[in-house]
Amino acid sequence: DTGVSQDPRHKITKRGQNVTFRCDPISEHNRLYWYRQTLGQGPEFLTYFQNEAQLEKSRLLSDRFSAERPKGSFSTLEIQRTEQGDSAMYLCASGLSGPGSPLHFGNGTRLTVT
Amino acid sequence: DQQVKQNSPSLSVQEGRISILNCDYTNSMFDYFLWYKKYPAEGPTFLISISSIKDKNEDGRFTVFLNKSAKHLSLHIVPSQPGDSAVYFCAASSSGAGSYQLTFGKGTKLSVIP
Repeated sequence: DTGVSQDPRHKITKRGQNVTFRCDPISEHNRLYWYRQTLGQGPEFLTYFQNEAQLEKSRLLSDRFSAERPKGSFSTLEIQRTEQGDSAMYLCASGLSGPGSPLHFGNGTRLTVT
Repeated sequence: DQQVKQNSPSLSVQEGRISILNCDYTNSMFDYFLWYKKYPAEGPTFLISISSIKDKNEDGRFTVFLNKSAKHLSLHIVPSQPGDSAVYFCAASSSGAGSYQLTFGKGTKLSVIP
């Protein structure tokens, strides 16, 4: 078990640029989640995949955000035309199916939009 | 509208004493509750969970208590150790929601003083 891996750890970009983050989940896990965390808040749900299917999106996920999980393994989260309000920690988590099954989080990608 | 509330932003405890972290929820559909610990610059790490059919779950120094009628849960750490100093998040999910997404509180920062 190598854990959930996220890349990059930090990203600084200028307003209006596009950014893409990558997440490699724990290989046995069929569920993959993206969360966003801002200062003083808990993680907030953005979207989740079961295998390659994106099954739910939060209203927080504006149309500038898109997530993919092309072969049911790694996932990417792209933000187009970044805004300063997008500055946050983006966390990826994976887990097994079933209620109460804990999610395992990566160390996140910290995005700073200047 | 916060469905999971951690009303104490911070807590200081002497090493060897008990730490009690509290969490309240408002959504009656929640039936799984989890505690996560987060160190700076790392993702949240799963600690312990409890389902709504139980009122107590224990794992080593960590015990979670659930009071369904009060919609309240607490995490007890006995004895507290300096390495327990971290931010603790309470999270909840509903088996009725297909995504089993976790809804987090804002966290409580625990400081264990040697």
